[in-house]
Amino acid sequence: AQKITQTQPGMFVQEKEAVTLDCTYDTSDQSYGLFWYKQPSSGEMIFLIYQGSYDEQNATEGRYSLNFQKARKSANLVISASQLGDSAMYFCAMRETSGGSNYKLTFGKGTLLTVNP
Amino acid sequence: KAGVTQTPRYLIKTRGQQVTLSCSPISGHRSVSWYQQTPGQGLQFLFEYFSETQRNKGNFPGRFSGRQFSNSRSEMNVSTLELGDSALYLCASRPTGGRRRDTEAFFGQGTRLTVV
Repeated sequence: AQKITQTQPGMFVQEKEAVTLDCTYDTSDQSYGLFWYKQPSSGEMIFLIYQGSYDEQNATEGRYSLNFQKARKSANLVISASQLGDSAMYFCAMRETSGGSNYKLTFGKGTLLTVNP
Repeated sequence: KAGVTQTPRYLIKTRGQQVTLSCSPISGHRSVSWYQQTPGQGLQFLFEYFSETQRNKGNFPGRFSGRQFSNSRSEMNVSTLELGDSALYLCASRPTGGRRRDTEAFFGQGTRLTVV
């Protein structure tokens, strides 16, 4: 069964600095997708970035980039130039895609990021 | 475009009662899935609906059920509520088809259910 591990329950970063949130995954599937979501205290999950298992380039979306190391099965999120509004829970998630059209995300336990002024 | 809308936002129920939660997906999205989020278990997949058919189901007891209507709106029902059902229930919708095989899911703000 697929599994997502986020080893950092909490992280602190100074405003304007970069921070890396770790994510490792376990799957026997060759085709899968990796996602990062942000969850502020309001509860809504906000999509940040996506990486497909066959994508050759690391994904980037504005201040977010994904450091994808397939052989190590890691998909770390890098946030550059942290802002106070980045304080939230961050979840790494995976979807195995070779099973067809079924859509099920498996989430890690999350990392609580606090940005200090 | 309006986002995913979940109603109600907050709910307090008594053990043994049943509850129905509603989710209106983003217009044009036909896939709707539900997740339960608790401090102990984290985010867990409940089920996914597409074109009124349940395509996938998580490891939850039969007390948890759902359905999807022809306009893609979805409801989930929990019967005989237990204290452990207290959680944030999140609904997500996603577009289907298109060039990229995989697409992100767009989540609502959730319904926070408290069972007393």
